Amino acid sequence: AQTVTQSQPEMSVQEAETVTLSCTYDTSESDYYLFWYKQPPSRQMILVIRQEAYKQQNATENRFSVNFQKAAKSFSLKISDSQLGDAAMYFCAYRSAGTSGSRLTFGEGTQLTVNP
Amino acid sequence: KAGVTQTPRYLIKTRGQQVTLSCSPISGHRSVSWYQQTPGQGLQFLFEYFSETQRNKGNFPGRFSGRQFSNSRSEMNVSTLELGDSALYLCASNIAGNDYGYTFGSGTRLTVV
Repeated sequence: AQTVTQSQPEMSVQEAETVTLSCTYDTSESDYYLFWYKQPPSRQMILVIRQEAYKQQNATENRFSVNFQKAAKSFSLKISDSQLGDAAMYFCAYRSAGTSGSRLTFGEGTQLTVNP
Repeated sequence: KAGVTQTPRYLIKTRGQQVTLSCSPISGHRSVSWYQQTPGQGLQFLFEYFSETQRNKGNFPGRFSGRQFSNSRSEMNVSTLELGDSALYLCASNIAGNDYGYTFGSGTRLTVV
């Protein structure tokens, strides 16, 4: 079974600064997808960024980028120019590509605080 | 377009009762997945429905069940509620259960007393 670990329960960053959230995972599969989701107090999980394991290029979405290290099974999220609206719980998630269906395995989450 | 709609937003039930939660996916999405979120266990996959058929199931007791209708709306039911069932229940929809990201609803907060 796959597992996802986020070792930072809490992180804080100053507005306009850069912060990196860590995620490691364990799998024996070679093809899979990785996601970062954001959950603000409104409770809705919002997709931030996704990465296909077969792609070597790191995904980027505006101020959000990932550092995907397949051999190390590491998938960190970098938030540049942090904004107050980035404050939320961030979850790293894994999905196998080898089976049908959409089961996501989530990490424990990292609570991000953005200080003005 | 409208997002994923979950009803009700909040629910309080008594131990031993049963409850039904509803999820309306984004129009055109045929896959609906359910997750339980608790402070102790985090986010755990319950089950996924696609074209009215359960396609995946997580490690939850048989008290947790679900179904999907022809219009892709889904319901999940929990029977004989226990205090430990208190949680945020989230549903997510996807076009066909593929990798293009899943759109989540705002969840139903269930409290069992």
